[in-house]
Amino acid sequence: DAGVIQSPRHEVTEMGQEVTLRCKPISGHDYLFWYRQTMMRGLELLIYFNNNVPIDDSGMPEDRFSAKMPNASFSTLKIQPSEPRDSAVYFCASSFSGAGNYGYTFGSGTRLTVV
Amino acid sequence: EDQVTQSPEALRLQEGESSSLNCSYTVSGLRGLFWYRQDPGKGPEFLFTLYSAGEEKEKERLKATLTKKESFLHITAPKPEDSATYLCAGAGGTSYGKLTFGQGTILTVHP
Repeated sequence: DAGVIQSPRHEVTEMGQEVTLRCKPISGHDYLFWYRQTMMRGLELLIYFNNNVPIDDSGMPEDRFSAKMPNASFSTLKIQPSEPRDSAVYFCASSFSGAGNYGYTFGSGTRLTVV
Repeated sequence: EDQVTQSPEALRLQEGESSSLNCSYTVSGLRGLFWYRQDPGKGPEFLFTLYSAGEEKEKERLKATLTKKESFLHITAPKPEDSATYLCAGAGGTSYGKLTFGQGTILTVHP
């Protein structure tokens, strides 16, 4: 398996623009997570899905952020409009509840810079 | 609110110099304590899950242990390739998979 695939790897955008981050989880995994990592706050859970259904979005910072999972093999995280404080590395991770060890597999992340 | 605190923030070792990283946690209804390794520019890589106090897991030069309040990651005779950020995370309550991460310990092993 190719692992969790995220795109793009790097994104530089101007304040006010819409940004869409993409994630393809590992086939067969039933959970998908979006995390944000910054030096100040570390890894923060934004939202997670189970069988394509959003379960907990309490970590989404504000209404500018939205996430979708239209099918088992694809998810997006959208920021509209983007602001400089959104600059961070955004990780997608997936896991299989039947594995028992709760170990996530993370993607390589998208480094977002909003100028 | 669940909290996970790691210490030290950074640790520098000479090759072969054994040491331990600490993870203190306050997680309601702990269901698992996790250790991850993160290399620069990459996502965290899963290492271990510990479920109950007294449990130990080993992988090469790494051994993770768990008490009711802390977890330790022991590194025996480290090599330069062990240099990375080590992250600890706790999962609690009834929400499967919702992990609270610590800030990490940056480990540097000099040859």
